Amino acid sequence: AQSVAQPEDQVNVAEGNPLTVKCTYSVSGNPYLFWYVQYPNRGLQFLLKYITGDNLVKGSYGFEAEFNKSQTSFHLKKPSALVSDSALYFCAVGGYNNNDMRFGAGTRLTVKP
Amino acid sequence: EPEVTQTPSHQVTQMGQEVILRCVPISNHLYFYWYRQILGQKVEFLVSFYNNEISEKSEIFDDQFSVERPDGSNFTLKIRSTKLEDSAMYFCASSDRVYEKLFFGSGTQLSVL
Repeated sequence: AQSVAQPEDQVNVAEGNPLTVKCTYSVSGNPYLFWYVQYPNRGLQFLLKYITGDNLVKGSYGFEAEFNKSQTSFHLKKPSALVSDSALYFCAVGGYNNNDMRFGAGTRLTVKP
Repeated sequence: EPEVTQTPSHQVTQMGQEVILRCVPISNHLYFYWYRQILGQKVEFLVSFYNNEISEKSEIFDDQFSVERPDGSNFTLKIRSTKLEDSAMYFCASSDRVYEKLFFGSGTQLSVL
């Protein structure tokens, strides 16, 4: 089955600085890649997805992600972090029919004032 | 925005008892999922459901688990004989088509004593 890896349990950045949350994937065939965010005591919320097309995809709340096929990566980025971005971020990959979407272990982002 | 509804928000049960977790997916969605999250960490895929049958299931989804869409609006997860290790937050999700984002409910926190 497809899988994703998020190598960092925790990412700390200062408000106003750029942030990157890393994700690499493993899948047979074309990947369908997603980022979700989870705030405390809430379900996961969709941020953005890559299915096909431009390698740089833009999503909610100013986030974007870059698909890199040669490095099998799909890192989440934001040019200027906000304290309110502090949350748990999950990368996910779907298989060819997306009926088996697998999530990474999550990365806790903390943005300090 | 339409949302996925899960009930109850918290469920406490004794080991060996049966529990049913309930979900109302978004009304025009066709694909349904159950995930679980232990201690706010990794989100684990349990099962996907489409056209009134299971599409995919993980190794976690053994004979103790079952899903049902009894009436065209509800989507339930039954655990026949709960174990201590079934304690987790269970999330229901739905989507309207393949390769599309999932909408998650707020979850049911299951505690097995």
